[in-house]
Amino acid sequence: GAGVSQSPSNKVTEKGKDVELRCDPISGHTALYWYRQSLGQGLEFLIYFQGNSAPDKSGLPSDRFSAERTGGSVSTLTIQRTQQEDSAVYLCASSFLALGGRSDTQYFGPGTRLTVL
Amino acid sequence: GDSVTQMEGPVTLSEEAFLTINCTYTATGYPSLFWYVQYPGEGLQLLLKATKADDKGSNKGFEATYRKETTSFHLEKGSVQVSDSAVYFCALRGGSQGNLIFGKGTKLSVKP
Repeated sequence: GAGVSQSPSNKVTEKGKDVELRCDPISGHTALYWYRQSLGQGLEFLIYFQGNSAPDKSGLPSDRFSAERTGGSVSTLTIQRTQQEDSAVYLCASSFLALGGRSDTQYFGPGTRLTVL
Repeated sequence: GDSVTQMEGPVTLSEEAFLTINCTYTATGYPSLFWYVQYPGEGLQLLLKATKADDKGSNKGFEATYRKETTSFHLEKGSVQVSDSAVYFCALRGGSQGNLIFGKGTKLSVKP
């Protein structure tokens, strides 16, 4: 079956521009996570969506970062006024159940490599 | 807060050697524990997991046992292959919303 997909796979932008990164989770998965993978910081949690509930934004590094999830499915991560330190691989993951079940597994997409010049 | 510490790499082994990658964690309660693997040019893949103390996760010849008394989840494989060359991440499911908390990753290179 189809896994988590992300687009674009690569994005090069200029400092100060806005970018949008897209994630299509596995069909039926209620939970969706965004992470960032960078050389200096390793893998960091950014934001979490559970169904149609308001997202947990506790991991977002600044107010330039925002995300939305449409109809409990597709998600878009937006970075405004990009900075060079935003350069990283942005990973999306989805799982069937985030609360209650101890054995839920997060499945990751291939990531979007963002380069800010 | 919750955290994961894993041995720093890179680790270089010869084919058929024994592999251990140490992982310890700090967490409240008893989180689920995971090993993810990232092959060159690919995304993160779940390798194995354990959800409670003394559980042993296994896959593709890799094993890890959830040790509550030592708060550890060390990854082992008896005989590595060149195709096991990758970066390995230990993680726990923590946070208020179940997000994964990762170690820094250990790069493994296996030489023929």
